[in-house]
Amino acid sequence: ETGVTQTPRHLVMGMTNKKSLKCEQHLGHNAMYWYKQSAKKPLELMFVYNFKEQTENNSVPSRFSPECPNSSHLFLHLHTLQPEDSALYLCASSQDIMINEQFFGPGTRLTVL
Amino acid sequence: AQSVTQLGSHVSVSEGALVLLRCNYSSSVPPYLFWYVQYPNQGLQLLLKYTTGATLVKGINGFEAEFKKSETSFHLTKPSAHMSDAAEYFCAVSVQRGNEKLTFGTGTRLTIIP
Repeated sequence: ETGVTQTPRHLVMGMTNKKSLKCEQHLGHNAMYWYKQSAKKPLELMFVYNFKEQTENNSVPSRFSPECPNSSHLFLHLHTLQPEDSALYLCASSQDIMINEQFFGPGTRLTVL
Repeated sequence: AQSVTQLGSHVSVSEGALVLLRCNYSSSVPPYLFWYVQYPNQGLQLLLKYTTGATLVKGINGFEAEFKKSETSFHLTKPSAHMSDAAEYFCAVSVQRGNEKLTFGTGTRLTIIP
């Protein structure tokens, strides 16, 4: 595997389910990001991790819970989501947060019923 | 804080014609500027970036962009459109101090007419 991978690519869940999104980067980077991409809206930065430490939480509801066990892996745990949370969730990585060039994964298309 | 405006959410050009996608930014300090492309069902891929130095930046797939400070613009161009250029294009800005997040525009969907 190369670059940034995300699993699953598609996810359908009910509002009472608990699920997790996984991101893995094979680039030796130290910073990782979660973005939300909704139709007709700019990409929304959700969380930033640098060297496994969370450096930014962009006022994200607590039903989204990130986890970064090491610099190569990033998870987004989902619980009691709302239909308006349906979107494409993109993971990205960069050398560190001082280097702004980010590399993106293919995203997970989430549908909340 | 910085911001990005992409003029035109949809642009259609004929195959072989000039592609011009517009991006204007707002930043109180010198910016770093990026263009990303997103093909259907894929993540964003970096096309090109401006950090410092030469204001005309060449990227992948024949695209280029010119940083014009006086116009606060970073428009993306390609002399001759190809069918494979059909995608969504995002302009983004961050600032040179570092440790600043990327701020994205709302995107421009490019359609190529055969």
